[in-house]
Amino acid sequence: SAVISQKPSRDICQRGTSLTIQCQVDSQVTMMFWYRQQPGQSLTLIATANQGSEATYESGFVIDKFPISRPNLTFSTLTVSNMSPEDSSIYLCSVGSGGGYTFGSGTRLTVV
Amino acid sequence: DQQVKQNSPSLSVQEGRISILNCDYTNSMFDYFLWYKKYPAEGPTFLISISSIKDKNEDGRFTVFLNKSAKHLSLHIVPSQPGDSAVYFCAASAGYAGGTSYGKLTFGQGTILTVHP
Repeated sequence: SAVISQKPSRDICQRGTSLTIQCQVDSQVTMMFWYRQQPGQSLTLIATANQGSEATYESGFVIDKFPISRPNLTFSTLTVSNMSPEDSSIYLCSVGSGGGYTFGSGTRLTVV
Repeated sequence: DQQVKQNSPSLSVQEGRISILNCDYTNSMFDYFLWYKKYPAEGPTFLISISSIKDKNEDGRFTVFLNKSAKHLSLHIVPSQPGDSAVYFCAASAGYAGGTSYGKLTFGQGTILTVHP
């Protein structure tokens, strides 16, 4: 299975600022997924990122708020823009590999 | 619309006994189902999966059962160990295509399993 390195592991940010989360995969993958887990909630898909094309966003998520880059088959970033306290969540990237899906360790974001 | 549901927020089991975690789904297009375990401050860890062409898959202490007609799956852990204490998520995907295509996952709300020594 693929191994994902996700950074940062946690951050505390001021409202109105932006944070960029990075995921590096140790193998080439076609699709990368970005999820959000709000406190006490399940994981919700934000968007699917394919290399060389624009990300596909789920209902309720927009590119202006969560811009995604996918410059190659092993790397992706998610930016949380113009943050508010409601953005305080755990953000996770994921790839499909080996019959399952592998997740990064997550980024715990607190917006104050 | 919650397409994947785990109706039990928590489960408490004695060490050595069986833990049974349940999951229901509503979307008939789902053809691949997975169970994940999650500890605080970590990403979900893949446990076991099952495709819709099977009704059972076993891996060590973990067995997943799928009842397509009832749109229900369950995870059995036997014997349960204190280290199994975590949040367990059921997830489903459509269009798995025999392992060559990875679609997005839809997750249930999770069940907190506590295994007492």
